[in-house]
Amino acid sequence: EAGVVQSPRYKIIEKKQPVAFWCNPISGHNTLYWYRQNLGQGPELLIRYENEEAVDDSQLPKDRFSAERLKGVDSTLKIQPAELGDSAVYLCASSSSPGGGRSYTFGSGTRLTVV
Amino acid sequence: GEDVEQSLFLSVREGDSSVINCTYTDSSSTYLYWYKQEPGAGLQLLTYIFSNMDMKQDQRLTVLLNKKDKHLSLRIADTQTGDSAIYFCAERSGYSTLTFGKGTMLLVSP
Repeated sequence: EAGVVQSPRYKIIEKKQPVAFWCNPISGHNTLYWYRQNLGQGPELLIRYENEEAVDDSQLPKDRFSAERLKGVDSTLKIQPAELGDSAVYLCASSSSPGGGRSYTFGSGTRLTVV
Repeated sequence: GEDVEQSLFLSVREGDSSVINCTYTDSSSTYLYWYKQEPGAGLQLLTYIFSNMDMKQDQRLTVLLNKKDKHLSLRIADTQTGDSAIYFCAERSGYSTLTFGKGTMLLVSP
């Protein structure tokens, strides 16, 4: 079974430029999460989807961040314009709902550097 | 809101046991997790425990949960240099979002 696939693996952009990250969850997992991990910190939730509906986006900075999950499968996370403080690792995860335990799986992440 | 606390650093010698501790505040946690993160890599699920359990053993890993004190620990037996990494404790409550600690860096010396 393929895991959660994210791309790109690394991204370096200049501040004020746009950037997008892509995530393909595990087949059959209805719930998809985007987390952000700052250097030296644990991951923090940005947004959670149940199928194609964003059910928790309270931590998403909506002035510059947007996300979508078309057809309830793949998801993209976009930042426009990027700021220096957005440098972090962006992790996607998926789980079967109402699953638990091992069904909560993370991708390898996209490491964003804003210069 | 929920909070998860971990000690930041642990150093052990190869072959010794390692114990990484974690405390959490959310009494409604359903699952508690231990993840491993190597440099430049994503999060690897090591083990998890359901909140109605006290202990779970999985090969070299033993998880102890004291729900009364909201204390979770991960014991790694016969620690190897390949176990050097950052270990994250995380708790999951009703809405399935994980709340992570800041991670414990484990350094295993030969």
